[in-house]
Amino acid sequence: AQSVTQLGSHVSVSEGALVLLRCNYSSSVPPYLFWYVQYPNQGLQLLLKYTTGATLVKGINGFEAEFKKSETSFHLTKPSAHMSDAAEYFCAVSEQNQGGKLIFGQGTELSVKP
Amino acid sequence: NAGVTQTPKFQVLKTGQSMTLQCAQDMNHNSMYWYRQDPGMGLRLIYYSASEGTTDKGEVPNGYNVSRLNKREFSLRLESAAPSQTSVYFCASRGSLGQPTYHQAFFGQGTRLTVV
Repeated sequence: AQSVTQLGSHVSVSEGALVLLRCNYSSSVPPYLFWYVQYPNQGLQLLLKYTTGATLVKGINGFEAEFKKSETSFHLTKPSAHMSDAAEYFCAVSEQNQGGKLIFGQGTELSVKP
Repeated sequence: NAGVTQTPKFQVLKTGQSMTLQCAQDMNHNSMYWYRQDPGMGLRLIYYSASEGTTDKGEVPNGYNVSRLNKREFSLRLESAAPSQTSVYFCASRGSLGQPTYHQAFFGQGTRLTVV
């Protein structure tokens, strides 16, 4: 069975500071990994994904994440936070088969202070 | 191109009433999903459909049924609503093999359901 754990339900950073959102996964098979962002009263949007190949993936809005198999982690980072980054972020995992389950973590709410 | 469309956007039900949440996608995706979102719980998978004609249970299927009517539509039914089913429900579809958006999930805007 697959599962995702996001460490920290709420993270607060100052504008311009590093953003680090943590995600660890459990999967019995090689996973596909995703980060999604949700703005208030909206659905989720894809930030980035890891499927195969390079373990450092870049996404939209300056975010990136690194797949570390040995640590079963897929942490999300951004060098310099912007006020517009305030939102809820979700890590997700799926199996490498078409149409398989897509399982989400509990979410991390990011606040950005001026 | 509308993407994933959910109806209704808001609904209030009395305990014991039934209703169906509708979801349709126009991206020719094979896979579709239903999630519920509750504070502190993230998104929990209720049911999913890997392709037309197939459905499978997710993490929290009890109290729900689904129908994959055709490739476009995937409905979620509450037969006898309970206050514990008060939540925001999201439908999603996922890019298919051969599509540029393979593996990427696209979400509807959600249905906010309150059961009193």
